[in-house]
Amino acid sequence: GNSVTQMEGPVTLSEEAFLTINCTYTATGYPSLFWYVQYPGEGLQLLLKATKADDKGSNKGFEATYRKETTSFHLEKGSVQVSDSAVYFCARLQGAQKLVFGQGTRLTINP
Amino acid sequence: GAVVSQHPSRVICKSGTSVKIECRSLDFQATTMFWYRQFPKQSLMLMATSNEGSKATYEQGVEKDKFLINHASLTLSTLTVTSAHPEDSSFYICSARGSTVLGGNQPQHFGDGTRLSIL
Repeated sequence: GNSVTQMEGPVTLSEEAFLTINCTYTATGYPSLFWYVQYPGEGLQLLLKATKADDKGSNKGFEATYRKETTSFHLEKGSVQVSDSAVYFCARLQGAQKLVFGQGTRLTINP
Repeated sequence: GAVVSQHPSRVICKSGTSVKIECRSLDFQATTMFWYRQFPKQSLMLMATSNEGSKATYEQGVEKDKFLINHASLTLSTLTVTSAHPEDSSFYICSARGSTVLGGNQPQHFGDGTRLSIL
């Protein structure tokens, strides 16, 4: 099928810790992949994306590499801040425009 | 960057009321708009896709007569929840996607969402 599976949260870390949020997908072919972030009470913001295999998306210190061998797009950040506390969604493109989202991972960073 | 404005941000109303939610693209022409529903601590579920000037395409299980979508212009789409009941209470989020002359894959830009509470 066409689905996205994320690491189940919630995830709680201390400031400056290393972050990994796992994401795997199932698809035929190589769809574009995305990470979105949702701050409390707000809509989603695109954090980063990768459109083909081996691409690395990066933004605001976050990175994710499109790995076709493992059908994964794990989100990483070397040193998290309190302001990174949010819900993170992994998503894949289905067809030309439809986004399929993972279940979301709630991240809390403690000072 | 691209901005999508969604209004109202929060609405509380009595059961049986119809509620309209607006989604506007402020600095680009949105040929396609999407409406999502998000239950507490869950992911976004696509309800429908609307292209300007044509009827919306609803996802399986979404009632067309319950959730009326209008996309009359390139900058505005509306979602009307008709005769709303408590089970319709949710967080509704719109997104908009533009197009280019050369085509290509334009990203979706999301509004800040509308929290609907039906008493």
